[in-house]
Amino acid sequence: AQTVTQSQPEMSVQEAETVTLSCTYDTSESDYYLFWYKQPPSRQMILVIRQEAYKQQNATENRFSVNFQKAAKSFSLKISDSQLGDAAMYFCAYRRIQGAQKLVFGQGTRLTINP
Amino acid sequence: DVKVTQSSRYLVKRTGEKVFLECVQDMDHENMFWYRQDPGLGLRLIYFSYDVKMKEKGDIPEGYSVSREKKERFSLILESASTNQTSMYLCASSDIFTGENTQYFGPGTRLTVL
Repeated sequence: AQTVTQSQPEMSVQEAETVTLSCTYDTSESDYYLFWYKQPPSRQMILVIRQEAYKQQNATENRFSVNFQKAAKSFSLKISDSQLGDAAMYFCAYRRIQGAQKLVFGQGTRLTINP
Repeated sequence: DVKVTQSSRYLVKRTGEKVFLECVQDMDHENMFWYRQDPGLGLRLIYFSYDVKMKEKGDIPEGYSVSREKKERFSLILESASTNQTSMYLCASSDIFTGENTQYFGPGTRLTVL
């Protein structure tokens, strides 16, 4: 069974600085998807960024980028120029390519932005 | 924009009650999911459905059942609520045809069982 581990329950960063959230996963599959989701306080969970395992290039979405290390089974999220609105729970998630489309989530990392 | 709505944001029930949590999506998605979110455990899949009247067990189906009579609606049922089912419940939907594979989430229902 696939597992996803986020070893940092909480992180904090000064506004305008850069922070990296860690995620590791375990799978025997060669192709899969990885995601970072953001859950702001009392608000809906939204997709931040997505990575297909067969793509060598790291995904980027504006201030958000990932460092995808397939051999190490690592998928970290870098947030540049942190803003107060980035404060949220961040979840790393895994999904197989084939079969059921369920997501396997990590435990989450609570990110605090200090003004 | 994809919209996933859940019938209640907060719900308080008593032990032994039958509880219905409703989820509706407006994007004609085939897949719908129910997750449970607990601190330190992340989200865990309870049940999912890939078509009307179809359902499959997720990782923690015990104590729950589901119903999908219409494509847009997916209900989670707690037949006899227990205190260990106090949690945040999140519904999600996704489209299997676009290849996007993104799940869109509802706002969640925080259920307290007394």
